[in-house]
Amino acid sequence: IAGITQAPTSQILAAGRRMTLRCTQDMRHNAMYWYRQDLGLGLRLIHYSNTAGTTGKGEVPDGYSVSRANTDDFPLTLASAVPSQTSVYFCASSDQPDAYQNEQFFGPGTRLTVL
Amino acid sequence: GQSLEQPSEVTAVEGAIVQINCTYQTSGFYGLSWYQQHDGGAPTFLSYNALDGLEETGRFSSFLSRSDSYGYLLLQELQMKDSASYFCAVNTGGFKTIFGAGTRLFVKA
Repeated sequence: IAGITQAPTSQILAAGRRMTLRCTQDMRHNAMYWYRQDLGLGLRLIHYSNTAGTTGKGEVPDGYSVSRANTDDFPLTLASAVPSQTSVYFCASSDQPDAYQNEQFFGPGTRLTVL
Repeated sequence: GQSLEQPSEVTAVEGAIVQINCTYQTSGFYGLSWYQQHDGGAPTFLSYNALDGLEETGRFSSFLSRSDSYGYLLLQELQMKDSASYFCAVNTGGFKTIFGAGTRLFVKA
């Protein structure tokens, strides 16, 4: 694989169900991110991880959890999905951001519909 | 609160120059990025400005004025393939990035 992969590509989910979105990168980036994209709102950061074993909350973390057991994988879990979590979810990764660079590489996205 | 403001849409003709502005109000500022996103695709990185001034990369240039909390993306020699959404984004510190709502660019023949 090259870059970032996400799975599934799309999913329709009943409200109340548990769902894990998968994200894997092969660029050996330390930092990884999960965003949701809703029409008219741009991308909003859900959670991030600066290195394996460490995670942090973004703008909209409620209802989501993440883990970072190793450098490559960064799954996002919805413990009990609600319709407001219907969105397109993007995973991204980057080298350690600093004052001079902050290029993030995005996966292809997962389109999630919660009914 | 934190916010980034950019126009919702811009229309220009093929071969022309277009400027997409972005003003920001954030609790911290490390730099301003620009991303391009085609319909159904993933955002792709275009540029990053940490210091005041103009950065040029081929047909695209990006400008930053930290004192004015303002930046812009300049696209020259517009091509049909430039029709996409463009997002400005502020690195507010560490690993947190705030994105604008995006500007949809329509390029007409």
